[in-house]
Amino acid sequence: EPEVTQTPSHQVTQMGQEVILRCVPISNHLYFYWYRQILGQKVEFLVSFYNNEISEKSEIFDDQFSVERPDGSNFTLKIRSTKLEDSAMYFCASKRTHGLARGGGINEQFFGPGTRLTVL
Amino acid sequence: DAKTTQPTSMDCAEGRAANLPCNHSTISGNEYVYWYRQIHSQGPQYIIHGLKNNETNEMASLIITEDRKSSTLILPHATLRDTAVYYCIVRVEGAQKLVFGQGTRLTINP
Repeated sequence: EPEVTQTPSHQVTQMGQEVILRCVPISNHLYFYWYRQILGQKVEFLVSFYNNEISEKSEIFDDQFSVERPDGSNFTLKIRSTKLEDSAMYFCASKRTHGLARGGGINEQFFGPGTRLTVL
Repeated sequence: DAKTTQPTSMDCAEGRAANLPCNHSTISGNEYVYWYRQIHSQGPQYIIHGLKNNETNEMASLIITEDRKSSTLILPHATLRDTAVYYCIVRVEGAQKLVFGQGTRLTINP
């Protein structure tokens, strides 16, 4: 069964450093997402990406964050200058299509296993 | 998206049916009910979704009341591996983001 993969599984960085989190979505999927989950808290939406541009972003996704699909297979999240409060699990997700008319259609987001980011 | 209310936690014995309730009294006509679960800090996993008819797949059944103000996710024969946080999410078809609440922490006991 195809799955979303993420690398690395754990990233440790110093405050102020740049990090790039990598995701390989399911191959025929067209919509891509990043979410994060601070330890003990809810899963929070960061950004959605379609057709090589951001389609929606949350208040969390400020100028320190950027996303890219550099080569048609990878989907990356960059944090330019990490802060202590960026420590969290970061989940990538992908979805095949916008959805069909019948009963919701194929409108499921498939999540990767996450990257645990620790900022020291 | 409409707000949902779920119990904070539930327990169920292994092999029994686990019934997880969700209230969504402000749901509008074009909003679907989705269920996801998260097993111990793994990525959330889609379970099932529905609009107004009851739905069943290989993982679970979804029962939606006639007025659509509440629903129940049923895991028919719960196993220890079903221990997870279960999220009920109401959203418009085609909406991009998933808005997660606190969910219900389901513990399956041997």
